[in-house]
Amino acid sequence: GESVGLHLPTLSVQEGDNSIINCAYSNSASDYFIWYKQESGKGPQFIIDIRSNMDKRQGQRVTVLLNKTVKHLSLQIAATQPGDSAVYFCAVRNSGGSNYKLTFGKGTLLTVNP
Amino acid sequence: DAGITQSPRHKVTETGTPVTLRCHQTENHRYMYWYRQDPGHGLRLIHYSYGVKDTDKGEVSDGYSVSRSKTEDFLLTLESATSSQTSVYFCAISPRDSEKQFFGPGTRLTVL
Repeated sequence: GESVGLHLPTLSVQEGDNSIINCAYSNSASDYFIWYKQESGKGPQFIIDIRSNMDKRQGQRVTVLLNKTVKHLSLQIAATQPGDSAVYFCAVRNSGGSNYKLTFGKGTLLTVNP
Repeated sequence: DAGITQSPRHKVTETGTPVTLRCHQTENHRYMYWYRQDPGHGLRLIHYSYGVKDTDKGEVSDGYSVSRSKTEDFLLTLESATSSQTSVYFCAISPRDSEKQFFGPGTRLTVL
């Protein structure tokens, strides 16, 4: 079955630095990827998504990079702020399965130090 | 939270009692989902619905049932709660032809 993992369970950065959060997936049939942010006591919040026909997508202060060759996904946050402190996790969809089923990673805790 | 509410937000119950959690949306989205979130695990799908009265099982459906009699409401029922069902439960919605899922604020359930 699909497994979605993260390289680091925690990441600590200084305010103003750039943050990179990584995600590995195992199914080469995965065709849609999404990043969520979850603050303590809240529900996951959509950040950015990317389809498998793209390598890079940018949003406001965030960039998602997709490397299908090594089945790796990363989320880059520019000029990290204290408000970015949260758990970040990726989710993937397999093109061979139900259109709307996502498999979620366990998450990385990002801590931003002032 | 994308027009999604969950009730109750917190609940403590005893083993063996029935529990129903409610998810209500104001977005008129077709798809609705119930997940549980536990330490050491990613979000795991319990059940989902692709329309009124149309539901299907997810990966951890044992011990749970769902119902959707209206577009806006998706109910999750634990017929006889067990301690292993202590968790945070999230409802999510997504519109037709979109993989994006938008989550509610969650319900923290404790089964003693």
